[in-house]
Amino acid sequence: DVVMTQTPPSLSVAIGQSVSISCKSSQSLVASDKNTYLNWLLQSPGRSPKRLIYQVSKLDSGVPDRFSGSGSEKDFTLKISRVEAEDLGVYYCLQGTHLPYTFGAGTKLELK
Amino acid sequence: EVQLVETGGGLVQPGRSLKLSCVASGFTFNNYWMSWTRQAPGKGLEWVASITNSGGSTYYPDSVKGRFTISRDNAQNTLYLQMNSLRSEDTATYYCTRGNSGYWGQGVMVRVSS
Repeated sequence: DVVMTQTPPSLSVAIGQSVSISCKSSQSLVASDKNTYLNWLLQSPGRSPKRLIYQVSKLDSGVPDRFSGSGSEKDFTLKISRVEAEDLGVYYCLQGTHLPYTFGAGTKLELK
Repeated sequence: EVQLVETGGGLVQPGRSLKLSCVASGFTFNNYWMSWTRQAPGKGLEWVASITNSGGSTYYPDSVKGRFTISRDNAQNTLYLQMNSLRSEDTATYYCTRGNSGYWGQGVMVRVSS
């Protein structure tokens, strides 16, 4: 199984600050169709997860452009510029290239 | 608006069975793979099962293979998860998702306990 190593496990930030979350996979996530199936999700407190980014860097509809994704092969980053209160919660990466699909352990974003 | 509504959760004894349902609306159901993902209390996310558009192929992790069965009724826009031989470690909130994570339902709690 592909292991997704997500760091840091938690982040304490001030509103307006920028942060980055890393996700590293144990295998390349480039699929046979040349796409890379790495998604980022946010689970706000008490809510279902919501996908923010798919295929490394493509923003889902309605997701603010303060969010950006980058990376390739085995090394990926989610960046949040100018954190807002609504961004707080747990962020997960998910690889959808190899079965079984696997998630990172999560990064909890909290207010400083 | 895409909506996924799960039902069927509850308290069940170890070794018993339970069947979850997910009714989809707001999109063309038979155009999409569908999946179930679960979250144990206070823990992270674990993919449980996926099914192709037609229902012709299904996929599972080893943790549930042989015990859980995903299926779908495209005429009724409904996804199912039949869970047999339930164990305490299957206790979780189960989410129905479009694809492997595109849209999520509100989740349904399954508790396995004697």
